[in-house]
Amino acid sequence: QLQLQESGSGLLKPSQTLSLTCAVSDGSISVGGYCWSWIRQPPGKGLEWIGCIYHSGTTYYDPSLQSRVTISIDKSKNQFSLQLTSVTAADTAMYYCARTNFYNAKYYFDYWGQGTLVTVSS
Amino acid sequence: EIVLAQSPATLSVSPGQRATLSCRASQSVSRDLAWYQQKPGQGPRLLIYGASTRATGIPARISGSGSGTEFTLTISSLQSEDFAVYYCQQYNNWPLITFGQGTRLEI
Repeated sequence: QLQLQESGSGLLKPSQTLSLTCAVSDGSISVGGYCWSWIRQPPGKGLEWIGCIYHSGTTYYDPSLQSRVTISIDKSKNQFSLQLTSVTAADTAMYYCARTNFYNAKYYFDYWGQGTLVTVSS
Repeated sequence: EIVLAQSPATLSVSPGQRATLSCRASQSVSRDLAWYQQKPGQGPRLLIYGASTRATGIPARISGSGSGTEFTLTISSLQSEDFAVYYCQQYNNWPLITFGQGTRLEI
């Protein structure tokens, strides 16, 4: 069964850059038909999709975050990464990576990681 | 942006009873709606997609219905492992994906 595991910086100061990686195991990130997503959840709040990357390198971002987000893919390591620049306290959240189904234009998330907490504090 | 309103925010139900959760969209999403279950310390788990199709391994006592702007998740004969937070998500307006704020199902 496909597994996803997030890792990266847990505590940041305002204005720094958030960097996270999602390692994918028991399945290939290079298979077509899926987009590899980042989703976050601020404490006590709902889920917010950040963006995703296709195996070709094509990216899709939420417009509200697009100016600060970069998602990249490393097929040799079977992983993908998130960078979010100029973080503020509002970026404090649990960050999840997930696989997005892309077949038949049905964009739901069928596998998720456990999440990693990122805190932004001075 | 399509806003999803989930109700109620918290639902208290006894084991063995039925739970009905609602998700209302601010505009039609056809049947492009999914439901997820989230337990403490875990990532969400896909339950339903296409408004009514159960994901792999999801038991038949969990069902989804609806289309357009009104959707329902029904869990019949609640078991202890069903007590969690449930989210709906629309994917009709890619890439402007949105989630509801969640319904907490508690004993």
